[in-house]
Amino acid sequence: GNSVTQMEGPVTLSEEAFLTINCTYTATGYPSLFWYVQYPGEGLQLLLKATKADDKGSNKGFEATYRKETTSFHLEKGSVQVSDSAVYFCALSAGGTSYGKLTFGQGTILTVHP
Amino acid sequence: GAGVSQSPSNKVTEKGKDVELRCDPISGHTALYWYRQRLGQGLEFLIYFQGNSAPDKSGLPSDRFSAERTGESVSTLTIQRTQQEDSAVYLCASSSGLALRTDTQYFGPGTRLTVL
Repeated sequence: GNSVTQMEGPVTLSEEAFLTINCTYTATGYPSLFWYVQYPGEGLQLLLKATKADDKGSNKGFEATYRKETTSFHLEKGSVQVSDSAVYFCALSAGGTSYGKLTFGQGTILTVHP
Repeated sequence: GAGVSQSPSNKVTEKGKDVELRCDPISGHTALYWYRQRLGQGLEFLIYFQGNSAPDKSGLPSDRFSAERTGESVSTLTIQRTQQEDSAVYLCASSSGLALRTDTQYFGPGTRLTVL
C-alpha cells in the first residue's frame, strides 16, 4: 500500500535559520505529493504541491521538489520566521481505485524562536 | 468564498451514546472525504464520496461508523455506541472531483469528539 515517512520532530530553530523537513514515500503508480500546514488554532491548509516528477512546488518562501528517483519530497525554506511555527504534514494522493484519498505522514512540529 | 464548514466544533459524549457529525463542503465540489486525527497519531482516511455515492469506505474502523451524503452537498458521519477510542478530531475535506489524483483537498476546521 501507499505510505509516507516524515522526519520526526519536534524541530526547533532560531529565526532566519534554514529549514529542511524530510519526506519520503512509497506508492504504486504516479502519485501527487503535497505539504499541508496546520497553524496553532487553525485548520489544515495546503502549503504546496507537485503532481509529476521533477515538478517544484513553492509558496510563502517554502519549496519542495518531486524526486521520483529517491521517492522524496523534502520541504525547505531558506529563512524561517516565528510565524512559520506550525505542524507540517507531507501527503500523497494516488488516482485509480485510491480515489485521490490522502495518505499522510505523522507530522512535524516546527517551533521558531525570535 | 465560503470554505468547508463542520459542526459541532466540539462534542463531548458519554460512552455508548450515538453522535452525528456534519460537513458542508465547498459549493460545487463533488468529491468529499472524511479523515480522523487521533492524539499522537497521523491523519487516517475514513470514507470517500463522489456525489452521493461512497465508492470507498475502506477506512471506516467498524460497523459502528456510517456516513451519508445528500443533495451532492452535506455529509453526516454517524458513530453509534461510542467508545473511548473514538475520541479524535474528525476532519472533512472537499475537492472539485475533476482529477482526483491532482486535486487540492480543502479541509474544514474539524470536530473534536471526546468520549467520556
